[in-house]
Amino acid sequence: SQQGEEDPQALSIQEGENATMNCSYKTSINNLQWYRQNSGRGLVHLILIRSNEREKHSGRLRVTLDTSKKSSSLLITASRAADTASYFCATPKNTDKLIFGTGTRLQVFP
Amino acid sequence: EPEVTQTPSHQVTQMGQEVILRCVPISNHLYFYWYRQILGQKVEFLVSFYNNEISEKSEIFDDQFSVERPDGSNFTLKIRSTKLEDSAMYFCASMREGSNTGELFFGEGSRLTVL
Repeated sequence: SQQGEEDPQALSIQEGENATMNCSYKTSINNLQWYRQNSGRGLVHLILIRSNEREKHSGRLRVTLDTSKKSSSLLITASRAADTASYFCATPKNTDKLIFGTGTRLQVFP
Repeated sequence: EPEVTQTPSHQVTQMGQEVILRCVPISNHLYFYWYRQILGQKVEFLVSFYNNEISEKSEIFDDQFSVERPDGSNFTLKIRSTKLEDSAMYFCASMREGSNTGELFFGEGSRLTVL
């Protein structure tokens, strides 16, 4: 089974709309991270939420974490065409490696 | 801002050939990783490296793979005899010692095409 699965797999929206991506995981965690990947590029860390936090904001990003449901969501408000990318959740395992989810491909149309 | 750099950006090789992918992690980072992403698929963990030895490796990281830190700055991934299914993007990442978050800093990747 996968540690970290995002849904939807793909999401298409218009500029200005909000984009919500969800991530589910299976084992207990001490934090959950979201990364962004532009097509063919490396992954860039966006935001981290600790297991004792329920919500966190960074600019237009809002992350929630529900440890009872083992799920997290990433909300991008007022999306822009430049937000077009793949978004991955990731959880640390054995303290020194990250396990990535399957990713959500977001397409924002101008 | 410090960054992880990877070379080459793209390498094309024949099946059975050896390939070495190079990475220069961020200078004060002490944990190093290789991840692989087959086109359009998830980012898969290959190996982690700390204190000059492998700390963990995945099932993908079989005897054909090896990693080395030949000097104080480079971190390399060697594939001894490439197979068609080794075609993928290979990402190097590093993490600073003492990180209590596990945040990784990634390079831009090396695209390997095996013909």
